[in-house]
Amino acid sequence: GQNIDQPTEMTATEGAIVQINCTYQTSGFNGLFWYQQHAGEAPTFLSYNVLDGLEEKGRFSSFLSRSKGYSYLLLKELQMKDSASYLCAVFDSNYQLIWGAGTKLIIKP
Amino acid sequence: IAGITQAPTSQILAAGRRMTLRCTQDMRHNAMYWYRQDLGLGLRLIHYSNTAGTTGKGEVPDGYSVSRANTDDFPLTLASAVPSQTSVYFCASSDGQGGNEQFFGPGTRLTVL
Repeated sequence: GQNIDQPTEMTATEGAIVQINCTYQTSGFNGLFWYQQHAGEAPTFLSYNVLDGLEEKGRFSSFLSRSKGYSYLLLKELQMKDSASYLCAVFDSNYQLIWGAGTKLIIKP
Repeated sequence: IAGITQAPTSQILAAGRRMTLRCTQDMRHNAMYWYRQDLGLGLRLIHYSNTAGTTGKGEVPDGYSVSRANTDDFPLTLASAVPSQTSVYFCASSDGQGGNEQFFGPGTRLTVL
């Protein structure tokens, strides 16, 4: 079966750095997305990786290793507004998005 | 409007009733999707449409139907609601497939009693 694993919950301190990991086992791979979802709101796009390596976008970076079936989202200079769930999703061979259950990130002052 | 809208925002429904969740986008995206989101689970695809006039089944299609008469609208119908269909429903759209981000509507919170 297809599976995406992420930690259920993480806690970090304002101003610090946090890394959220995602491992996947899917039938084929056509790219990996990270989305942010604040409580009670819709998911919003953060990043897309299709090749190995690091993609940096301001305070957020996303890394992909296709050989290891692994990605991480790195958030720097954490702000209280970063408290949200972070969803990892993979396009399988049929270009259907397979979603992880999400990682709830709690930021403490 | 700009983006994707969904209606209603929330609904409480008696089991056995028929219900249609509405979704409209104004971005002229070809592809549209319906997901349900339940606590502790990832988003699960119910149905999708790659272009107007075509639809396909996702991971959890049973009990749901969709239609895509035009580019903008993608309604989801529950023919006879059951309590296990209590969930938050998100509609999304993308400009084609593979590699293109999906844009999400604000969601509909549905409770079936």
